[in-house]
Amino acid sequence: AQSVAQPEDQVNVAEGNPLTVKCTYSVSGNPYLFWYVQYPNRGLQFLLKYITGDNLVKGSYGFEAEFNKSQTSFHLKKPSALVSDSALYFCAVRDPLGSGAGSYQLTFGKGTKLSVIP
Amino acid sequence: GAGVSQSPSNKVTEKGKDVELRCDPISGHTALYWYRQSLGQGLEFLIYFQGNSAPDKSGLPSDRFSAERTGGSVSTLTIQRTQQEDSAVYLCASSYGHQAKNIQYFGAGTRLSVL
Repeated sequence: AQSVAQPEDQVNVAEGNPLTVKCTYSVSGNPYLFWYVQYPNRGLQFLLKYITGDNLVKGSYGFEAEFNKSQTSFHLKKPSALVSDSALYFCAVRDPLGSGAGSYQLTFGKGTKLSVIP
Repeated sequence: GAGVSQSPSNKVTEKGKDVELRCDPISGHTALYWYRQSLGQGLEFLIYFQGNSAPDKSGLPSDRFSAERTGGSVSTLTIQRTQQEDSAVYLCASSYGHQAKNIQYFGAGTRLSVL
């Protein structure tokens, strides 16, 4: 079975500083990895995904994520945080070789609340 | 273009009543998913539709939950005899095809409160 762990419930960072939101995963095969962001009373918005190829993936709003197979991690990063980046961030995984629902459902982490302090 | 649309945005109901939640996916998207977001359980997969194929209902928590998708487009999630533990945000997503690499686009959700 696939799973995702986001070890930090909350991350606080000063505006202008770099930010990192951590994610580790567990799947039986090669993972497909996604990051989503959720603003209050809004649905999830797609940020970026890793399918194959370059381990560094660039996404929306200046975010990027690095896939590390040996550490089974997919941490989300941004060089300079903005107050408007404050939101709830979800990491998700799909196992393309999973059976049944495992191959197409997204399995999410619990989410990390990012607060960017002015 | 228009995104995934869900209605109502909020629903308050009394324990024991039935509720219907609606999802209108992005035009042309053949795959549709329902998830539930609750404080204790995070985001849980409920059900998946792909085209005209039989849905995968493996994530539905009980037989009080059912869903249908008419004409390969709009979907309705029905909860019968609602319980307080059904209180959550119900999210719908759609994707162009069911391949694992495809992005799922989410609606804003329906916040269900069972009193």
